[in-house]
Amino acid sequence: AQSVTQLDSQVPVFEEAPVELRCNYSSSVSVYLFWYVQYPNQGLQLLLKYLSGSTLVKGINGFEAEFNKSQTSFHLRKPSVHISDTAEYFCAVQRRDDKIIFGKGTRLHILP
Amino acid sequence: EAGVTQFPSHSVIEKGQTVTLRCDPISGHDNLYWYRRVMGKEIKFLLHFVKESKQDESGMPNNRFLAERTGGTYSTLKVQPAELEDSGVYFCASSQVRPGQGGYEQYFGPGTRLTVT
Repeated sequence: AQSVTQLDSQVPVFEEAPVELRCNYSSSVSVYLFWYVQYPNQGLQLLLKYLSGSTLVKGINGFEAEFNKSQTSFHLRKPSVHISDTAEYFCAVQRRDDKIIFGKGTRLHILP
Repeated sequence: EAGVTQFPSHSVIEKGQTVTLRCDPISGHDNLYWYRRVMGKEIKFLLHFVKESKQDESGMPNNRFLAERTGGTYSTLKVQPAELEDSGVYFCASSQVRPGQGGYEQYFGPGTRLTVT
């Protein structure tokens, strides 16, 4: 079975400061790793994904994530956040049979 | 290209009533998925259609939930009779079939917020 743990339910950060949203996963088989974002009153949008190859993955809006197999982590980072980054972020794993297993989400609050 | 659409955006019903949620996937996408997020919990998989066939319905909570995808286009999810614990946000997603490739993106709709009182 697979599971995803997002260690922080809410993360406050000042505008223009860096941020890291943590994600750990558990799986006995190989999976694909994703980060989705949900902006207020919108649907889920793919931020970035790791399928194979380079462990550093760059996504939209300046976000990046690093896959660490030994630590089973896939933390999301951004060097400088903006008010527009206010959203809920979901780490997820996708099995080969397509089913996506989501974490509980992390709400990112940008402070002025 | 239009994205995944869902109707209604919000629905408030009383316990015991019936509600039908609709999802229109991106045109040409054979895969259609339903997910649900109960308040405070993670988003959970409900079921997966490939065209009009149910590929995997292991996440359906009980037999009060019925999903259909007649003709392989739009899908409906009916809850009958609704219970208080059915409240949450129901997401639909679609994707293209890419044989031999994995990790293809699922495109999500905005969700339907269902409140059962």
